[in-house]
Amino acid sequence: DGGITQSPKYLFRKEGQNVTLSCEQNLNHDAMYWYRQDPGQGLRLIYYSQIVNDFQKGDIAEGYSVSREKKESFPLTVTSAQKNPTAFYLCASSPGQLITFFGQGTRLTVV
Amino acid sequence: AQSVSQHNHHVILSEAASLELGCNYSYGGTVNLFWYVQYPGQHLQLLLKYFSGDPLVKGIKGFEAEFIKSKFSFNLRKPSVQWSDTAEYFCAVTLTDSWGKFQFGAGTQVVVTP
Repeated sequence: DGGITQSPKYLFRKEGQNVTLSCEQNLNHDAMYWYRQDPGQGLRLIYYSQIVNDFQKGDIAEGYSVSREKKESFPLTVTSAQKNPTAFYLCASSPGQLITFFGQGTRLTVV
Repeated sequence: AQSVSQHNHHVILSEAASLELGCNYSYGGTVNLFWYVQYPGQHLQLLLKYFSGDPLVKGIKGFEAEFIKSKFSFNLRKPSVQWSDTAEYFCAVTLTDSWGKFQFGAGTQVVVTP
């Protein structure tokens, strides 16, 4: 089945540690996105990539980093510089001007 | 700064009532507009979209939205809601000439009571 796989579903990390969230798609979509979802704030764009080896910062990129070495993969690293990393993270992909697929999300808790 | 505003954070209504959710955006260029829905425990999914043409667009499950360019609005409507419409609804916008940067509103939690 085609889709987006985010792993793991739940992730716990100690404060000060970097952590990488995985996002893989087998839809052959060019564009991929990372959003952070917090209660009452909707989805806020962290990073997006429209093509392999290229990505742009979204509205809340500080404390995060990404790479896009392969079309199907767009991992997100939450660094120790991110002040409030505990959140629900959503990955999405699109073939163009329409996001049609979202992953199941990863809930990150930093303790 | 570019933004998307949804007027109501929570809406509670009874079955068969009409629903209208407001969405306004502040973008200077030509936009594409979307409504997404997230049912409890499920993925976000596309409800409807507007790219161009008829400003009244129809989506799945009886929803429709009207693009009013002069008001920078894209309000979502449904004439008669059902209990199964309980969900969170998100408005989203992207510029046609830089479509990668999708911006979502904060979301509106809709609860439909039997």
